[in-house]
Amino acid sequence: DAGITQSPRHKVTETGTPVTLRCHQTENHRYMYWYRQDPGHGLRLIHYSYGVKDTDKGEVSDGYSVSRSKTEDFLLTLESATSSQTSVYFCAISAGTYEQYFGPGTRLTVT
Amino acid sequence: SQELEQSPQSLIVQEGKNLTINCTSSKTLYGLYWYKQKYGEGLIFLMMLQKGGEEKSHEKITAKLDEKKQQSSLHITASQPSHAGIYLCGAGTNFGNEKLTFGTGTRLTIIP
Repeated sequence: DAGITQSPRHKVTETGTPVTLRCHQTENHRYMYWYRQDPGHGLRLIHYSYGVKDTDKGEVSDGYSVSRSKTEDFLLTLESATSSQTSVYFCAISAGTYEQYFGPGTRLTVT
Repeated sequence: SQELEQSPQSLIVQEGKNLTINCTSSKTLYGLYWYKQKYGEGLIFLMMLQKGGEEKSHEKITAKLDEKKQQSSLHITASQPSHAGIYLCGAGTNFGNEKLTFGTGTRLTIIP
């Protein structure tokens, strides 16, 4: 199994509060990704990183920011959580033009 | 942007039967990935196809890529309870496979 961990695994938060999700890898892969998974929408890319301090937006980036200060960590921040951001969030890593390996997911509920 | 449509959306199959899941792209396929997801868990990589006509097998699961039809199929032979889950296809672009677009998934249920 690829060495990817996500924390927390579950979180309940209130509307308007900031939330940070963490993805940690031990594979030293260059690429890291944040997706959200919602019924009827499948997996949608939020942001991705192609190196330390190098990030780019995905198709559903509004309301989210990311940071990558170290190769092994990729943080996803919801500056002011909304109910529409209730979802399951997955982190993935890749060495490039190869398969992506996924973390176990974080279930976020915004009340 | 590329869209991937999976069919069927859900499938209930008796144990031991064969089944096929399709993934059709709105654009040319340059790299096609198949993943499996069990409820409440992350995605597990199954196979990657990159060339038209390519076919790969892993245990009882076979995937094919038809570039002309912009389609890939996943075939399971003699289904088992362990095959139950959600199957997702993902596709790269002509710029590379660093970013993938995913289909909405096919939920497979195996009944004894």
